[in-house]
Amino acid sequence: GQQLNQSPQSMFIQEGEDVSMNCTSSSIFNTWLWYKQDPGEGPVLLIALYKAGELTSNGRLTAQFGITRKDSFLNISASIPSDVGIYFCAGYNFNKFYFGSGTKLNVKP
Amino acid sequence: GAGVSQSPSNKVTEKGKDVELRCDPISGHTALYWYRQSLGQGLEFLIYFQGNSAPDKSGLPSDRFSAERTGGSVSTLTIQRTQQEDSAVYLCASSLGRPGSTDTQYFGPGTRLTVL
Repeated sequence: GQQLNQSPQSMFIQEGEDVSMNCTSSSIFNTWLWYKQDPGEGPVLLIALYKAGELTSNGRLTAQFGITRKDSFLNISASIPSDVGIYFCAGYNFNKFYFGSGTKLNVKP
Repeated sequence: GAGVSQSPSNKVTEKGKDVELRCDPISGHTALYWYRQSLGQGLEFLIYFQGNSAPDKSGLPSDRFSAERTGGSVSTLTIQRTQQEDSAVYLCASSLGRPGSTDTQYFGPGTRLTVL
């Protein structure tokens, strides 16, 4: 199947710092998505990207769909304690979603 | 309802027993997905339903796993003769599923299955 490599696996940062995480794939995707999962909950969609090169923001979050269509990154600016959680990237092709293994974010107040 | 719901939220069972997990998708969503998430891992695709079409079962790990979707809405994932390695959170998601268009999916809270 199509594999997504997500990095870093985990991050420990201070409140107020900016964060960056990324996802790469050997396959091309038509859509890239970023989700956040809190403990005991299902993933919640943060940002969806539909076009190569697209840069989209949602509040303090910014994500980009790579030009090659094989990668995407997510930036979080000025992190706050409630940003803690696991962030997943996902690629979408032909009715299937493929997920990265997640980036666990820890924010120290 | 407003979102995807799943039941039960937690299920503890003994090895060898059968279990049924239920998913109620968002009203009007024609596509429904089941995933498995082991502790600290990403999501593993299991099965996908689109409307009344035959499901894509390519992700089911063994023939002990099966799923059905009645009336194009509620879905049940059944695991027969459960094994300890089946312990995981089982997540259901739904999307509008419009053919030929890009799509996004919305997740339920999951069912945490523990096989003793």
